[in-house]
Amino acid sequence: EDKVVQSPLSLVVHEGDTVTLNCSYEVTNFRSLLWYKQEKKAPTFLFMLTSSGIEKKSGRLSSILDKKELFSILNITATQTGDSAIYLCAVEGWGAQKLVFGQGTRLTINP
Amino acid sequence: DGGITQSPKYLFRKEGQNVTLSCEQNLNHDAMYWYRQDPGQGLRLIYYSQIVNDFQKGDIAEGYSVSREKKESFPLTVTSAQKNPTAFYLCASRPTGNRPYEQYFGPGTRLTVT
Repeated sequence: EDKVVQSPLSLVVHEGDTVTLNCSYEVTNFRSLLWYKQEKKAPTFLFMLTSSGIEKKSGRLSSILDKKELFSILNITATQTGDSAIYLCAVEGWGAQKLVFGQGTRLTINP
Repeated sequence: DGGITQSPKYLFRKEGQNVTLSCEQNLNHDAMYWYRQDPGQGLRLIYYSQIVNDFQKGDIAEGYSVSREKKESFPLTVTSAQKNPTAFYLCASRPTGNRPYEQYFGPGTRLTVT
């Protein structure tokens, strides 16, 4: 059964700190790993990592995929209060037609 | 504007009543999904559909039913058989094809059953 475990479940830091969120997974025939940010309601897409793209960067956010060790990290540098959210990791296997989500990491950035 | 709409935003029902949550998309996506989110938990898949008139059970389908009569619409009915229906419900859609695609989410419906 496909599985995603995120850690930590909750993290509180001060504005300006750098944070690293972890996502480990087990999936049959890995196809993709996705990161989402959920502030109030609808999760918004951040990154997709696949076998052909194991590192992504957008501004202060970056993510890498380690297909050998079966994990991904999401890095946020110079955090701002607007980064406070739940960060969700999900994986999909080839032929599965669906994503499997982890529990999420609740990140709180204090001013 | 293209997107996914869910209605209503908040829904209150008495125990023992069935309730239907609406999900509509104008993105021309083939696949649609329903998730449930409880506090401190991620998204758990209820039902999904890859094509009109076809759908599959997800991990927590018991007490729920769906239909997919039109490409744009994927309503979810929470039946009285669902033991803990109070939750936040999210609908999503995405294209299907040879490459992986991200899912696009609606704003969600918060259901409270008392």
